[in-house]
Amino acid sequence: GQNIDQPTEMTATEGAIVQINCTYQTSGFNGLFWYQQHAGEAPTFLSYNVLDGLEEKGRFSSFLSRSKGYSYLLLKELQMKDSASYLCAPGGGNKLTFGTGTQLKVEL
Amino acid sequence: GAVVSQHPSWVICKSGTSVKIECRSLDFQATTMFWYRQFPKQSLMLMATSNEGSKATYEQGVEKDKFLINHASLTLSTLTVTSAHPEDSSFYICSANSGVAGPYNEQFFGPGTRLTVL
Repeated sequence: GQNIDQPTEMTATEGAIVQINCTYQTSGFNGLFWYQQHAGEAPTFLSYNVLDGLEEKGRFSSFLSRSKGYSYLLLKELQMKDSASYLCAPGGGNKLTFGTGTQLKVEL
Repeated sequence: GAVVSQHPSWVICKSGTSVKIECRSLDFQATTMFWYRQFPKQSLMLMATSNEGSKATYEQGVEKDKFLINHASLTLSTLTVTSAHPEDSSFYICSANSGVAGPYNEQFFGPGTRLTVL
């Protein structure tokens, strides 16, 4: 079965750095995705990790530790438009299982 | 590239009627399409996996006779909610991947369809 845990809500200040953690238990793991979802819209792809370590992509970075079943998404130089839900989604086979998402609120 | 469209973007219907939602891959051939449902402030829940030319695989707890899925071509999958009831009101999202071998097989999401059943 699948079990994904991430914080429900986080608040951060514009210009700051925030780290969103995700722990997971999944069968047939073949990589972990992070998606961003604004209210009423479909998710958009942010990052993918299949090997342990840090993947950097502009202001966003994602880290994976397969042995610990742990990932985090790091957002730097926060902007107001980063206020959204961030979904951790481990992949198994050709399926994704989504966590409940972390609602990030960026304040002035 | 890798654009997925959905139609309609929103629909309001009366209880007991059927609603069809289309999902199209516009610039690639989608060997597999996925249908998700999302209730307010909840996660995306996978309903079914649809492969072109074969029957869809439904997740546990999803009624296949209520949610009919047809994947007739490599660019089109449809979800029909039959005899819709107010509890079926939700945000329905499709995604598609091309099945091309690579570092990962990313799913590309459609914009979603907001269904409201009165």
